Amino acid sequence: AQSVTQLDSQVPVFEEAPVELRCNYSSSVSVYLFWYVQYPNQGLQLLLKYLSGSTLVKGINGFEAEFNKSQTSFHLRKPSVHISDTAEYFCAVSVGGYQKVTFGTGTKLQVIP
Amino acid sequence: EAGVTQFPSHSVIEKGQTVTLRCDPISGHDNLYWYRRVMGKEIKFLLHFVKESKQDESGMPNNRFLAERTGGTYSTLKVQPAELEDSGVYFCASSQELQQAFFGQGTRLTVV
Repeated sequence: AQSVTQLDSQVPVFEEAPVELRCNYSSSVSVYLFWYVQYPNQGLQLLLKYLSGSTLVKGINGFEAEFNKSQTSFHLRKPSVHISDTAEYFCAVSVGGYQKVTFGTGTKLQVIP
Repeated sequence: EAGVTQFPSHSVIEKGQTVTLRCDPISGHDNLYWYRRVMGKEIKFLLHFVKESKQDESGMPNNRFLAERTGGTYSTLKVQPAELEDSGVYFCASSQELQQAFFGQGTRLTVV
């Protein structure tokens, strides 16, 4: 079975500052990795995904993540955040594509003006 | 194109009552998933339909939960009788074969 750890439950950051949201996973087999975002009063939206190939993945809204197999990490980064990035971010993993995804507990990103 | 739609958006019921949640997937999506997030915890997989068949229901917590997808279109998730620990946000998602899953806004269920 696989698991996902998001150590930071909340991350406050000033507007235009860089941010990194940490994600570590555990699995005995190769996995697919995802980051989802939930804006207030909205559903989950796929931010980016790693299925194979280049370990640096670019997503929507200027976010990117890097898959590090040796450290079993998939940290999410953005060089300059905006107020509109305030949301909850979920790291997720699966072994079968989009089926039966295992999510982390989420990280609330609060962008401070 | 309409996204995944869930009804109701909020539901408050008393312990012991029955509640039925509905999910309308994106038209043409054979795969439909239910997930649940209990307050402050991770989002957990409940089950997966392919058309009207249950492909994987390993995440269903107990027999008080019944999911159906008649005709392979919309799905319902019934909780009967509801318990306090069933409170949380129930998400539905749908996808085409091996493609990205799209999530609905969720139904917030509160059992009092």
